[in-house]
Amino acid sequence: ILNVEQSPQSLHVQEGDSTNFTCSFPSSNFYALHWYRWETAKSPEALFVMTLNGDEKKKGRISATLNTKEGYSYLYIKGSQPEDSATYLCASHIYGQNFVFGPGTRLSVLP
Amino acid sequence: EAQVTQNPRYLITVTGKKLTVTCSQNMNHEYMSWYRQDPGLGLRQIYYSMNVEVTDKGDVPEGYKVSRKEKRNFPLILESPSPNQTSLYFCASSLAPRDTFHYNEQFFGPGTRLTVL
Repeated sequence: ILNVEQSPQSLHVQEGDSTNFTCSFPSSNFYALHWYRWETAKSPEALFVMTLNGDEKKKGRISATLNTKEGYSYLYIKGSQPEDSATYLCASHIYGQNFVFGPGTRLSVLP
Repeated sequence: EAQVTQNPRYLITVTGKKLTVTCSQNMNHEYMSWYRQDPGLGLRQIYYSMNVEVTDKGDVPEGYKVSRKEKRNFPLILESPSPNQTSLYFCASSLAPRDTFHYNEQFFGPGTRLTVL
C-alpha cells in the first residue's frame, strides 16, 4: 500500500496569517492528487483535483501546487479566517491502486 | 438537491449481529466507494465500484461485503461485526465516464458512526 503523508499534523494560526501545508506521495505511476476540506461534524468536500506536473489551482484565498516528479503538493491559505478551521486531506491515486488518503492536517484559526 | 445519503447515521450494535449501512446517490455517478476513518489514520478505502455489478476490494476489505445491483445504491454489509470495526464510515461517489474516476472529485455522504460492543 502506498504511503501518502501530510505535514504538519496540526497547525494553529492567528486570523489574518497566511499558511501552507504539504502532501507527499509516491511519484511513480501517478494519476491524480485530490485535496479535500473536512469540517468537524460534516463530510469532506473537494477543493481541488490536480493531475499535471506544475499545475496550480486557486479557489478564493486557497491555492494548491503540484510537483509530480518529486511527489509533493502544497496547499496555501492566504489571510486565514476562523471559518478556514478544518482538517485538510489529500488523496493520491496511483495506477493500479486505489485512492489513498493522507492522515490530514488539522488547521485552527484563532480570532 | 444533488447528494449522497447514508443510513443510519449512528448505530450501536453487538458483536456478531449482521448489519447493513445503506448508501444512495442521486447524481447518476458511476463510481462509488466506502471508507472508514479512524483516529490518527486517513480515510481508508474498504470497497469501491466502478459501475453496476462491478465491485473491487480497497485496502481494508476484511469483514465487509458490498453489492451494486443498481447504479444509485451501494450498501455496506457487516456479516458478523467485531469491535475492531467500530469506526466512522463514509460513502462517496463520483463521475467515472470511461473509467476516469481518478480525475473527478468525490462527493461524500454525511457519515455513519458505528460502535460494535
